[in-house]
Amino acid sequence: AQSVTQPDIHITVSEGASLELRCNYSYGATPYLFWYVQSPGQGLQLLLKYFSGDTLVQGIKGFEAEFKRSQSSFNLRKPSVHWSDAAEYFCAVGGSSSASKIIFGSGTRLSIRP
Amino acid sequence: NAGVTQTPKFQVLKTGQSMTLQCAQDMNHNSMYWYRQDPGMGLRLIYYSASEGTTDKGEVPNGYNVSRLNKREFSLRLESAAPSQTSVYFCASSEFGPGELFFGEGSRLTVL
Repeated sequence: AQSVTQPDIHITVSEGASLELRCNYSYGATPYLFWYVQSPGQGLQLLLKYFSGDTLVQGIKGFEAEFKRSQSSFNLRKPSVHWSDAAEYFCAVGGSSSASKIIFGSGTRLSIRP
Repeated sequence: NAGVTQTPKFQVLKTGQSMTLQCAQDMNHNSMYWYRQDPGMGLRLIYYSASEGTTDKGEVPNGYNVSRLNKREFSLRLESAAPSQTSVYFCASSEFGPGELFFGEGSRLTVL
């Protein structure tokens, strides 16, 4: 069955510190992987996606993620966080079929310490 | 450029009442989705439509029905609302099944 686990419910980091948000997925074939961000009171915005090719993908706002097939992981990273990065982050997985659905994890809430 | 439009944005229902959430997209996308968002549970897929004329159950379909009226519109119906259906509902669309999702602004539903 298709599923996504985000083990960290809430993370607090200091402004300027590095960030890594964890995501583990379960999918029987080659997955399509996504990270979305939801700022307070806002809708969801795509940060980055992995379909194939280079396993290190770059996204918007200085975020990157690395696909590791052997670990079934797709962790999100940022070298230096800004106060505006405080938000909820969702990892999602889909399949390559045009009929594939997209399943989300439970999210990680990121707080920034001044 | 409207993108994905959901109506209504807010609704209060009594237990047992019915209602339909409407969703329309103007991006000529093939796939459309309905998710619900609850605190601590992320977004859970209710139903999706990979293409016009098809619908499939997601993770939490019980208590809901959907209609893909045409390529643009995908509605979600609660036949007999229950307090457990109190949630924020998001409609989304993508050009093809597993592609980038474009979300509506959400519909906040309260069932008393």
